[in-house]
Amino acid sequence: GESVGLHLPTLSVQEGDNSIINCAYSNSASDYFIWYKQESGKGPQFIIDIRSNMDKRQGQRVTVLLNKTVKHLSLQIAATQPGDSAVYFCAENPSNQFYFGTGTSLTVIP
Amino acid sequence: NAGVTQTPKFQVLKTGQSMTLQCAQDMNHNSMYWYRQDPGMGLRLIYYSASEGTTDKGEVPNGYNVSRLNKREFSLRLESAAPSQTSVYFCASTIGQNEKLFFGSGTQLSVL
Repeated sequence: GESVGLHLPTLSVQEGDNSIINCAYSNSASDYFIWYKQESGKGPQFIIDIRSNMDKRQGQRVTVLLNKTVKHLSLQIAATQPGDSAVYFCAENPSNQFYFGTGTSLTVIP
Repeated sequence: NAGVTQTPKFQVLKTGQSMTLQCAQDMNHNSMYWYRQDPGMGLRLIYYSASEGTTDKGEVPNGYNVSRLNKREFSLRLESAAPSQTSVYFCASTIGQNEKLFFGSGTQLSVL
């Protein structure tokens, strides 16, 4: 999962399996969270968001879970595909600023 | 609808040179941001503009200045570039607080 530090966490999954990427956020006042996908050489791309009044939100093949008690966020990707290979970031928004995790690198093995 | 557009895409500077990174959005967004991305450090906020006419420092503002030229445009200036400013710079915008943040494609800057 994500953490503040010098090493980018990595996750390798077999094509077709489900992926789970975790994120620990720091500010208990954060009330809005986003997951981003970043492919090499490109800008971060919005995947899914969730507000603090929810604990689960589903999109197309993706689900975000929010546990405010332990300040934990997770992204689940169903039936992972080669095109899902990228770095995934979570972001928290306690005010008018967004704070980002360091990211998790997901590699999908064909 | 181009979204968030950044120029240039690549730039090489010598230490002490100055340059301005340009950013424009066509989504009528109120808030705009400049981030830098370094390996293993994630995205760090340099400056942001919550609305036209206002700018505020973020986490790493030293060595940078910004101008919110109008609602569409938010520029980032390096007055005297240093090797420590070698990074990938991203501009982003959002309609308002607790709304999606949209990113440009980035500027890769190298300072020699």
